[in-house]
Amino acid sequence: RKEVEQDPGPFNVPEGATVAFNCTYSNSASQSFFWYRQDCRKEPKLLMSVYSSGNEDGRFTAQLNRASQYISLLIRDSKLSDSATYLCVVKGYQGGKLIFGQGTELSVKP
Amino acid sequence: GAVVSQHPSRVICKSGTSVKIECRSLDFQATTMFWYRQFPKQSLMLMATSNEGSKATYEQGVEKDKFLINHASLTLSTLTVTSAHPEDSSFYICSAFRGDNNEQFFGPGTRLTVL
Repeated sequence: RKEVEQDPGPFNVPEGATVAFNCTYSNSASQSFFWYRQDCRKEPKLLMSVYSSGNEDGRFTAQLNRASQYISLLIRDSKLSDSATYLCVVKGYQGGKLIFGQGTELSVKP
Repeated sequence: GAVVSQHPSRVICKSGTSVKIECRSLDFQATTMFWYRQFPKQSLMLMATSNEGSKATYEQGVEKDKFLINHASLTLSTLTVTSAHPEDSSFYICSAFRGDNNEQFFGPGTRLTVL
């Protein structure tokens, strides 16, 4: 079983749609959780950290359920510029290595 | 945000040659840097953790004699792919850990093509 699992997609949605990505992780000792965004042939960039209380940044909302070892990302009012691969990432301890999911590809169409 | 650079951004080489990739943290000191590899349509896979002044820690399945890592200063780590073969063609990305804000910053990546 992979340490971090995501639905690879692709998700093809129209502009303005709401889209949700799910992720599960296997190591219950994982301490930090993130969503990264990766554009084609570029390095990943941090989108947002994920907390148990849930957090929101504009159109993006992230949730963490430690009991279920489940992480989600919700994108509201999708824009063309949201098209990218979204990576679910977990980290075990401060300074520790990041474990990446395989990524979920999103394509937002006009 | 913090800046991490990689050089070269793209390299094409013949099979059997060695290729060195540099990763630099430009505006902070990084005691720990990480090297990842990403094949097409796949996620980033950690190859090794590079600690300044000590030997790198390699992930299972990564050959330490093939992928030589040197972290000689707090701002520079190098990855040398020795005797490269076509199956080593991939996107190599480094990241540098910034301790004061507990965040990793990624370099722009190096695309290696071995003919």
